[in-house]
Amino acid sequence: DAGVTQSPTHLIKTRGQQVTLRCSPKSGHDTVSWYQQALGQGPQFIFQYYEEEERQRGNFPDRFSGHQFPNYSSELNVNALLLGDSALYLCASSLALGSTYNEQFFGPGTRLTVL
Amino acid sequence: AQSVTQLDSQVPVFEEAPVELRCNYSSSVSVYLFWYVQYPNQGLQLLLKYLSGSTLVKGINGFEAEFNKSQTSFHLRKPSVHISDTAEYFCAVSGSGSARQLTFGSGTQLTVLP
Repeated sequence: DAGVTQSPTHLIKTRGQQVTLRCSPKSGHDTVSWYQQALGQGPQFIFQYYEEEERQRGNFPDRFSGHQFPNYSSELNVNALLLGDSALYLCASSLALGSTYNEQFFGPGTRLTVL
Repeated sequence: AQSVTQLDSQVPVFEEAPVELRCNYSSSVSVYLFWYVQYPNQGLQLLLKYLSGSTLVKGINGFEAEFNKSQTSFHLRKPSVHISDTAEYFCAVSGSGSARQLTFGSGTQLTVLP
């Protein structure tokens, strides 16, 4: 089991550009959540996808959008990049149904630097 | 709305000494509580969780935490730390129920000194 995988590992962009980050969930998982972790901070919830729809959203502007594919993999898109978007972007996968609690498994993250 | 406060940003401790990392939370609903560890250049790994039942929760690597509802705290403890425990530790809370979003604290850097 490969666990949660993310690509690319590192990315450098300039202000105003657009970026796409990718996540493959752990085998058997159907829900993907995205978090932004700025340097020296805890992760902040961006949004969650289940059944190819955004189910929950944190306090992030519309510049942040996402997509989930039929194979449960997901993309995070950020438009009009700002310097403040520089962060580690974490993807977490889980199983939506079943028990009352389903652990979220985190990937290694994508380090985005905006210059 | 939920929030998490980690009271210490950095905790240095000597090897084989005990350690406590403090966490307080606020929420208007029932919550689940978690501690995650993050090693340099890696993602988050779950150390332990409190969902219900016994307030003393045991996790991996010899860590344990105690849920105190009256003090809204969930402090993490280890009786004897190792150099390999050096990492960033995050306390997190979620609403009860499946696949809820996690709200994290700002983290505590634990540094174990030889």
